[in-house]
Amino acid sequence: GIQVEQSPPDLILQEGANSTLRCNFSDSVNNLQWFHQNPWGQLINLFYIPSGTKQNGRLSATTVATERYSLLYISSSQTTDSGVYFCAVGEGGLVFGKGTKLTVNP
Amino acid sequence: GAVVSQHPSRVICKSGTSVKIECRSLDFQATTMFWYRQFPKQSLMLMATSNEGSKATYEQGVEKDKFLINHASLTLSTLTVTSAHPEDSSFYICSAGRAEAFFGQGTRLTVV
Repeated sequence: GIQVEQSPPDLILQEGANSTLRCNFSDSVNNLQWFHQNPWGQLINLFYIPSGTKQNGRLSATTVATERYSLLYISSSQTTDSGVYFCAVGEGGLVFGKGTKLTVNP
Repeated sequence: GAVVSQHPSRVICKSGTSVKIECRSLDFQATTMFWYRQFPKQSLMLMATSNEGSKATYEQGVEKDKFLINHASLTLSTLTVTSAHPEDSSFYICSAGRAEAFFGQGTRLTVV
């Protein structure tokens, strides 16, 4: 089956810093999503981005489908950005990467 | 985006009993829903695909007799953990959506 790898596994930032999270996938996909899992476990949809670039406030994402990777950019990070960020691919049932745990310190 | 609601958010049950978790699509009809499990500090793993009006499809290694799935209407899928054991303690979460997936709030199950 398809493999999804995320990097880095852990990331610690000072408030106000920028960061880039990466997601590599092993096969072509028609669906790629980025999620933020909050401390209560809920998955917050960030981007549905099978290809191209999207922006939403301080967050943006780019997927280069032909090269099988996606990037999530977080600018001017805030403490509330802390949590685990997941990339997931697939049609219907999703295959998740192992996530990037982001800690933003004040 | 679409709204998916899951209930209960937290449940504690005794070993040997069964627990039912509900997943509802509130503002759209879902012929297919998905159930995932997440162990502490791990990623989400797809357990099964719930199909309205037909049998669920289980991923390899998931016991269909332990995790009973019923999708009796276009807005409701249920997951019943039967004869629960402490090793079934986990975070269970459902999703629905046509292209973009939307997730319920999740259910934290503790079996004592």
